[in-house]
Amino acid sequence: IAGITQAPTSQILAAGRRMTLRCTQDMRHNAMYWYRQDLGLGLRLIHYSNTAGTTGKGEVPDGYSVSRANTDDFPLTLASAVPSQTSVYFCASSDDRDRGPRGYTFGSGTRLTVV
Amino acid sequence: GEDVEQSLFLSVREGDSSVINCTYTDSSSTYLYWYKQEPGAGLQLLTYIFSNMDMKQDQRLTVLLNKKDKHLSLRIADTQTGDSAIYFCAELTGGYQKVTFGTGTKLQVIP
Repeated sequence: IAGITQAPTSQILAAGRRMTLRCTQDMRHNAMYWYRQDLGLGLRLIHYSNTAGTTGKGEVPDGYSVSRANTDDFPLTLASAVPSQTSVYFCASSDDRDRGPRGYTFGSGTRLTVV
Repeated sequence: GEDVEQSLFLSVREGDSSVINCTYTDSSSTYLYWYKQEPGAGLQLLTYIFSNMDMKQDQRLTVLLNKKDKHLSLRIADTQTGDSAIYFCAELTGGYQKVTFGTGTKLQVIP
């Protein structure tokens, strides 16, 4: 089934530890995104990539880094986790050719708790 | 700049109609969307409307767009318990480059 796979599903992480959230899509979408979802704040864009080899900063990029070595994978790394990074993280993708009517496709999310 | 606002919570009785409202500020929006998020899941695109349309109907869903007031609404007819979810309004702006999401409205359907 075509779509986005995120891993892990959930994680409890000690503050100060490094963590990489994985995201893989099989739709050959050129653009990928990372959002965090917090109660009352909706979805906030962390980083994005319009095409393989390029990345950009979103609304809340501090403390996070991304890479886009190929079309399918877009990992999100927390270099040194802090409790304020406790959130649900969603990866999404879209295709430039039909982004309008199709919008974004989302993964099922990673629930991260930093203690 | 772009800002998308929604009320946080709506409660309706099963069988009634639900209306979820959204306001946005970017007049250059081209597509406007409604996404549904069920508990423990990601967002799924429910429907969209192009900016040159006033209304779009899709089975039990009716989307109304008032560009003058920058107001978007989603009406769900004959609301069912399976409609309980968080509904996000979103807009595509910046020359098809950016989607901005609202804060989400949690719909609770009372049996």
